[in-house]
Amino acid sequence: DGGITQSPKYLFRKEGQNVTLSCEQNLNHDAMYWYRQDPGQGLRLIYYSQIVNDFQKGDIAEGYSVSREKKESFPLTVTSAQKNPTAFYLCASSTGQGAYEKLFFGSGTQLSVL
Amino acid sequence: KNEVEQSPQNLTAQEGEFITINCSYSVGISALHWLQQHPGGGIVSLFMLSSGKKKHGRLIATINIQEKHSSLHITASHPRDSAVYICAPMDSNYQLIWGAGTKLIIKP
Repeated sequence: DGGITQSPKYLFRKEGQNVTLSCEQNLNHDAMYWYRQDPGQGLRLIYYSQIVNDFQKGDIAEGYSVSREKKESFPLTVTSAQKNPTAFYLCASSTGQGAYEKLFFGSGTQLSVL
Repeated sequence: KNEVEQSPQNLTAQEGEFITINCSYSVGISALHWLQQHPGGGIVSLFMLSSGKKKHGRLIATINIQEKHSSLHITASHPRDSAVYICAPMDSNYQLIWGAGTKLIIKP
């Protein structure tokens, strides 16, 4: 079955450490997105990519980095520059720009700071 | 002022009741998504609307672009409908504006 796989489900980061969240999709979607959700809050866009080897910053890109070397994969690195990384991270994909297409979401990664 | 307002923020109802969740937004949009988030975080896209009305099973979504308002209805509600329902309009730059959600609890 096609879908989006995020891993790990839970991740712990030490102070000053970079960590990478994995997002893989086998839906043949062009567009992929990373969102951050804080408790009781809506989703906020971190980065998005509409095509391989290209990505754009969202509203809260500072302290994060991404790559899109393959259509299927869009990993998110939370760098040590992100001072408040504890949140729930969701990856999504769509066939096109996202707004006119149905979004498909992964199951999320909960990141916590040790 | 939030660009997206959902009401109610919390709703508890008995099984079988007809449920309505409202979404008002202040920006000009071309489309709007309704999503469902279950405990544990998983999100499912329910509808993408650009006009009129869509129906899927017991779920119905409507939108009035001129009035900047959308509603999500659940008929014959069931405890498995318990979740957070999120309204997300899309602005002119194709960016989704996420509402904070409505927490729905359906009691058996």
